[in-house]
Amino acid sequence: QITLKESGPTLVKPTQTLTLTCTFSGFSLSTSGVGVGWIRQPPGKALEWLALIYWDDDKRYSPSLKSRLTITKDTSKNQVVLTMTNMDPVDTATYYCAHRDNMHDAFDIWGQGTMVTVSS
Amino acid sequence: QSVLTQPPSASGTPGQRVTISCSGSSSNIGRNYVYWYQQFPGTAPKLLIYRSNQRPSGVPDRFSGSKSGTSASLAISGLRSEDEADYYCATWDDSLSGWVFGGGTKLTVL
Repeated sequence: QITLKESGPTLVKPTQTLTLTCTFSGFSLSTSGVGVGWIRQPPGKALEWLALIYWDDDKRYSPSLKSRLTITKDTSKNQVVLTMTNMDPVDTATYYCAHRDNMHDAFDIWGQGTMVTVSS
Repeated sequence: QSVLTQPPSASGTPGQRVTISCSGSSSNIGRNYVYWYQQFPGTAPKLLIYRSNQRPSGVPDRFSGSKSGTSASLAISGLRSEDEADYYCATWDDSLSGWVFGGGTKLTVL
């Protein structure tokens, strides 16, 4: 059974850097075709894709946020970390991590999400 | 402003068939598969349709997806009250080199 869980601060101040960790089980990020992505959703708004890291360490970022994002993986710990710099109140959202593999070619299993508020 | 365009709302009565559209462009829907997600308030999205018209294991066959040109549709037949949720389309955009989502459609079962 594949599960993912996001963790990190619930409140960050403007200009600070956000670090979120996705801890997963039930799959290996060293298996060909597997990836873990991050998607966020501001309150009452639509989903927005942020980043994706593949089993071979290929990384993809949202063009609009690329300069602020870094995604890394620790295969031995079954974790993926997303950092977002220069946080702003508009970055207030629920942040999800999700599993991706070649079976569905999409984010098929999602974590429960973690709400991050940006406020001074 | 989402790259993929969905109607903000849709509605139907129990037993009806409803469709939700998703409009894109040649760089996204026109070249790639479309995916559909169902999301209930306060919960994570659930994959409903992958590769434009395939259902993951466990998804009822009342849900179906289709794609034509630069548009896609999600159809729900035999509408039930438990289908009341938000629905999102998604695909890869070759020009942006990234995943894009629609703005979401809130489905109300009257």
